[in-house]
Amino acid sequence: KNQVEQSPQSLIILEGKNCTLQCNYTVSPFSNLRWYKQDTGRGPVSLTIMTFSENTKSNGRYTATLDADTKQSSLHITASQLSDSASYICVVSPFGTDKLIFGTGTRLQVFP
Amino acid sequence: DTGVSQDPRHKITKRGQNVTFRCDPISEHNRLYWYRQTLGQGPEFLTYFQNEAQLEKSRLLSDRFSAERPKGSFSTLEIQRTEQGDSAMYLCASRAYTQYFGPGTRLTVL
Repeated sequence: KNQVEQSPQSLIILEGKNCTLQCNYTVSPFSNLRWYKQDTGRGPVSLTIMTFSENTKSNGRYTATLDADTKQSSLHITASQLSDSASYICVVSPFGTDKLIFGTGTRLQVFP
Repeated sequence: DTGVSQDPRHKITKRGQNVTFRCDPISEHNRLYWYRQTLGQGPEFLTYFQNEAQLEKSRLLSDRFSAERPKGSFSTLEIQRTEQGDSAMYLCASRAYTQYFGPGTRLTVL
């Protein structure tokens, strides 16, 4: 079983709408949780990074939340744009290691 | 452009051939990572370096795989006797506070 599970696997929304992507993890303890955006055929690009003690972090139209008690994180995208079409990957860094554990991602498609 | 470059971007090879990929990290980053990503999956950790020292290797890194980082600058990942199952995107990342990924090398083994 993957230590980082994401839902939904894929999502289609219309331009201008908001959406929320979910991440559930079992990695414990962990030092930080990140959200990455990955365009097709490109490497992942960091959107947000939160330590275990943070609850929320924003980066423009992207807002990530973290509930360390329930081991859940979400990424909220406001006023979606066509350029938001990409895979969004939740990544957890276990405490005391330099490794990153990646979720399988949510594939978001924004249509005009 | 994150500042991490990888070469080549695409590689097609026949089964049984050897291939080598190169990664040039952001110059002031002393940590460098290699990942493998198959279609529809998130990247999987392969190995990482601190300067020239290879500190950790995943069980995914079979004896056909070898990585080096001479002089703690660029790194190479070599796959010997390639198999069709090696077809994937190979990503390199370097790190300050967070990891910056390169564009990847897409390997196709025929």
